[in-house]
Amino acid sequence: GENVEQHPSTLSVQEGDSAVIKCTYSDSASNYFPWYKQELGKGPQLIIDIRSNVGEKKDQRIAVTLNKTAKHFSLHITETQPEDSAVYFCAASEDTGRRALTFGSGTRLQVQP
Amino acid sequence: EAGVAQSPRYKIIEKRQSVAFWCNPISGHATLYWYQQILGQGPKLLIQFQNNGVVDDSQLPKDRFSAERLKGVDSTLKIQPAKLEDSAVYLCASSPREYRGYSGNTIYFGEGSWLTVV
Repeated sequence: GENVEQHPSTLSVQEGDSAVIKCTYSDSASNYFPWYKQELGKGPQLIIDIRSNVGEKKDQRIAVTLNKTAKHFSLHITETQPEDSAVYFCAASEDTGRRALTFGSGTRLQVQP
Repeated sequence: EAGVAQSPRYKIIEKRQSVAFWCNPISGHATLYWYQQILGQGPKLLIQFQNNGVVDDSQLPKDRFSAERLKGVDSTLKIQPAKLEDSAVYLCASSPREYRGYSGNTIYFGEGSWLTVV
């Protein structure tokens, strides 16, 4: 089955700096790669996703890049704000709904004001 | 549009007792998932339903965990008897019925049910 590795496990940045979180996956059949943000006491919330027919996707201050050859994808947050502080999870699966998402172990991002 | 509803939000039980969690997915979503999230880890799939049929329960500890989805809508997850290592957040999630090319596998999570076994 799929295995997703995520780094770093914790990340501390100053407000206004950029943050980058990286993930690798093992199953070449995976073609759907979402990122979730989880705040304390809440369920994961989808913030951005990418499918294998594109290499990069951007939504305001967040962007995701995908390298299918190397089997890795990354989340980039620019101009970080204190409200970006949370745990971020990457995940991977086939985009057919037949297989559930496999998640990484999470990155705790702390944005220092 | 209402999100995924779960209850109870918090539960504390003694080991060897039983507990049940309930989930109501987003209206019209045929696929329902139960994930277990241990503190400090990513969610791990327990079971996936398509309508009221099981798609994947390979990681469900069937000697103590059971789940059902009657009528293809609501679902319950039961643990009996509970062990200390079952302390976790139990997340229910749902996704749309069919693959529509762009958003077929987008998964939406509920707030979770926090279980503490003492």
